[in-house]
Amino acid sequence: EDQVTQSPEALRLQEGESSSLNCSYTVSGLRGLFWYRQDPGKGPEFLFTLYSAGEEKEKERLKATLTKKESFLHITAPKPEDSATYLCAVMDSSYKLIFGSGTRLLVRP
Amino acid sequence: GAVVSQHPSWVICKSGTSVKIECRSLDFQATTMFWYRQFPKQSLMLMATSNEGSKATYEQGVEKDKFLINHASLTLSTLTVTSAHPEDSSFYICSATQLAGGPTDTQYFGPGTRLTVL
Repeated sequence: EDQVTQSPEALRLQEGESSSLNCSYTVSGLRGLFWYRQDPGKGPEFLFTLYSAGEEKEKERLKATLTKKESFLHITAPKPEDSATYLCAVMDSSYKLIFGSGTRLLVRP
Repeated sequence: GAVVSQHPSWVICKSGTSVKIECRSLDFQATTMFWYRQFPKQSLMLMATSNEGSKATYEQGVEKDKFLINHASLTLSTLTVTSAHPEDSSFYICSATQLAGGPTDTQYFGPGTRLTVL
């Protein structure tokens, strides 16, 4: 069964304290791995797509990496405005997105 | 670019009534639109996939007669919750992929609609 597991469930950081979020997955026929940011009461906002192991993408303080079993979202020197829930999703062989339960990030000033 | 809107943003209705939610792609044409629901502190669960001009494909366990989906144009899909009951209360979110993209293209999400059934 296709599955996506994100850890930790929640993460509290001080402003400037770098860290990483993990997304491990098992899927038959990975067609892509997606990272989204979701603010409370809002829809997910697209961040990155990764298609193959070894691929990396960066956007401001965020960097996403992909291996054959997991993906990491690295946050460098986070700011309070980075506080949100970060969702990882994999696209399976039928082109459907399977979401993890998310990591709730809180960055304190 | 790639903006998706939803209307209404929230709705409160009485048990037994029907509610329609609209999903529009504002600056692109969308071949495929998706409907998800999200319960508090849980992740998104796919309800159905719709392609313009054809019948929607529903996920296992989703009642197609209860959740009616219409994808009449390349920029508009609607979800109608028929005879709503309190257990249908949830956050409904749509997403869309661009016409020019392939099947692995990014899904862009709307802001969501909070449905509360009394």
